[in-house]
Amino acid sequence: AQKITQTQPGMFVQEKEAVTLDCTYDTSDQSYGLFWYKQPSSGEMIFLIYQGSYDEQNATEGRYSLNFQKARKSANLVISASQLGDSAMYFCAMRPNQAGTALIFGKGTTLSVSS
Amino acid sequence: KAGVTQTPRYLIKTRGQQVTLSCSPISGHRSVSWYQQTPGQGLQFLFEYFSETQRNKGNFPGRFSGRQFSNSRSEMNVSTLELGDSALYLCASSLSGGAAEQYFGPGTRLTVT
Repeated sequence: AQKITQTQPGMFVQEKEAVTLDCTYDTSDQSYGLFWYKQPSSGEMIFLIYQGSYDEQNATEGRYSLNFQKARKSANLVISASQLGDSAMYFCAMRPNQAGTALIFGKGTTLSVSS
Repeated sequence: KAGVTQTPRYLIKTRGQQVTLSCSPISGHRSVSWYQQTPGQGLQFLFEYFSETQRNKGNFPGRFSGRQFSNSRSEMNVSTLELGDSALYLCASSLSGGAAEQYFGPGTRLTVT
């Protein structure tokens, strides 16, 4: 069975600090995608970054990077130079690379950024 | 390019009633998925549609149904509402499904009293 584990219920950082949000996954699929989403209190799920299982380079999108360690089944999100607006819930998700499959989400990590 | 839109944004219904939620995907996206988010169960997959066909369905009772139209817009319907159906319902669109990026709408917050 596929599973996403996010072990940090909450993280607290100061502005301009870097923060790493942990994510491990379990799957028997060889081809899959890993995703990170941000959900502010308004409820909308904002797509942040995507990593394909066969991608050799770690994905980066602006201040977001994904530290992908395939052998360890780890897909940690790194946010550089945190901003107050980064305060939100962050979800790691996975989806097999097959038509019609669903995103499997972790339980999320609440990030609080203070000034 | 416009994002995923969902209507209505908020809804209050009474037990036993039915409700229809609407989702318009990003232009050109043909896959629409629906998810239910509750504090207790987290994010759970409801169903996925592609080119008007349901390709996958989550573990929800038959009271939950959906459809997709030829313009890729999708609706989901919940009949005989129960208190436990109170949730944020999120719709996501992608080009084709699979491991392609999914983009979510703002959600419909349903409260059942």
